[in-house]
Amino acid sequence: GAGVSQSPSNKVTEKGKDVELRCDPISGHTALYWYRQSLGQGLEFLIYFQGNSAPDKSGLPSDRFSAERTGGSVSTLTIQRTQQEDSAVYLCASSLTGTYTEAFFGQGTRLTVV
Amino acid sequence: DQQVKQNSPSLSVQEGRISILNCDYTNSMFDYFLWYKKYPAEGPTFLISISSIKDKNEDGRFTVFLNKSAKHLSLHIVPSQPGDSAVYFCAVRGGSNYKLTFGKGTLLTVNP
Repeated sequence: GAGVSQSPSNKVTEKGKDVELRCDPISGHTALYWYRQSLGQGLEFLIYFQGNSAPDKSGLPSDRFSAERTGGSVSTLTIQRTQQEDSAVYLCASSLTGTYTEAFFGQGTRLTVV
Repeated sequence: DQQVKQNSPSLSVQEGRISILNCDYTNSMFDYFLWYKKYPAEGPTFLISISSIKDKNEDGRFTVFLNKSAKHLSLHIVPSQPGDSAVYFCAVRGGSNYKLTFGKGTLLTVNP
């Protein structure tokens, strides 16, 4: 596809379980971002990947959260031992050079922890 | 402590009239300002931006105004169309060239 693809679209999980969220960026885009939007809140920065550079993980809320980007393309956001406060829409975006005028967002993954 | 505030959760406007969406920020070091539009079940889409060295940027029906002394940003849509109905997020950049801070969004409804 031409756009950023995220899977799954929706995920319901039990508290304490681990989840993996996937992002397929636009081909050729070197920059990849993860954001999340909790209910009634703005988008919250989580992590940024740029090429082969070390990612900026400063937005990850706890050590239960981790992300990787394999081969400079697909990214996976993993949340271990999920908590109810992790419930949110997780958004991935990619851009060609890292400037936001070029960034394209995926449709998001709605995570619900019950 | 919110660095970016969109104080109106919602706004309703008649088709053909002007829509004005407002955003306030706290940090004078922010150097780049953006507006995103989001439809339900879709990701945000970049709409328009402005650098801190300017006070106005126009793109078709959309104009963004920046008042640095007041730390205030606004988006004007004229004339408003029903297809403009969406959530509009204000975002600011400062300190790094990729990390954005977003407001909570304003739901715009344009009535036919």
